[in-house]
Amino acid sequence: GAGVSQSPRYKVTKRGQDVALRCDPISGHVSLYWYRQALGQGPEFLTYFNYEAQQDKSGLPNDRFSAERPEGSISTLTIQRTEQRDSAMYRCASSLESGDRGGETQYFGPGTRLLVL
Amino acid sequence: AQSVTQPDIHITVSEGASLELRCNYSYGATPYLFWYVQSPGQGLQLLLKYFSGDTLVQGIKGFEAEFKRSQSSFNLRKPSVHWSDAAEYFCAVVRRSGGSNYKLTFGKGTLLTVNP
Repeated sequence: GAGVSQSPRYKVTKRGQDVALRCDPISGHVSLYWYRQALGQGPEFLTYFNYEAQQDKSGLPNDRFSAERPEGSISTLTIQRTEQRDSAMYRCASSLESGDRGGETQYFGPGTRLLVL
Repeated sequence: AQSVTQPDIHITVSEGASLELRCNYSYGATPYLFWYVQSPGQGLQLLLKYFSGDTLVQGIKGFEAEFKRSQSSFNLRKPSVHWSDAAEYFCAVVRRSGGSNYKLTFGKGTLLTVNP
């Protein structure tokens, strides 16, 4: 596609429900990142995929958060038993693999605004 | 641990005035630095990036930034601000954790208001 797309754009859910957030990266992009952005803050890293392999999940706050990218393209971030503190903007970014360049450019989607009531 | 500091939470300038947004980083090696802009309802858009070489980098929309190693800074500048520049600006550093993982560490952002 022309850019990174995310769905839904807005999600309102009740505390305790599970939610699934989808990211469709730019076609051909190998690397995929998830970030979370609280109000008034910059985005914070959650997890990273290289193709279908989840190579870094150090930013996931707890075991209620999980992510997958089964075919190396679309990725889903799942939050189980949502809590009010999970309310935030969830952003996805993708990039081409660049070997040892050291500064690969990430292209961000519009984000999913999650509100947990 | 590395960090990025944007000292100014909110800046207001008049249209046509010059602009400088500050960014300081703490990192154990020469970082790779980025400026992103976030307009309401939009995703993060890359303005410019610094990897190496010339310390003055040019970006889109007439923005430029200068890397100063001695000051651990990467300030964003624009000679004449337009009303459409009103947005939130984020400075970011790449923290490379091995392989092709270039996860970004962001500052908290600076909100720019432009007065007519």
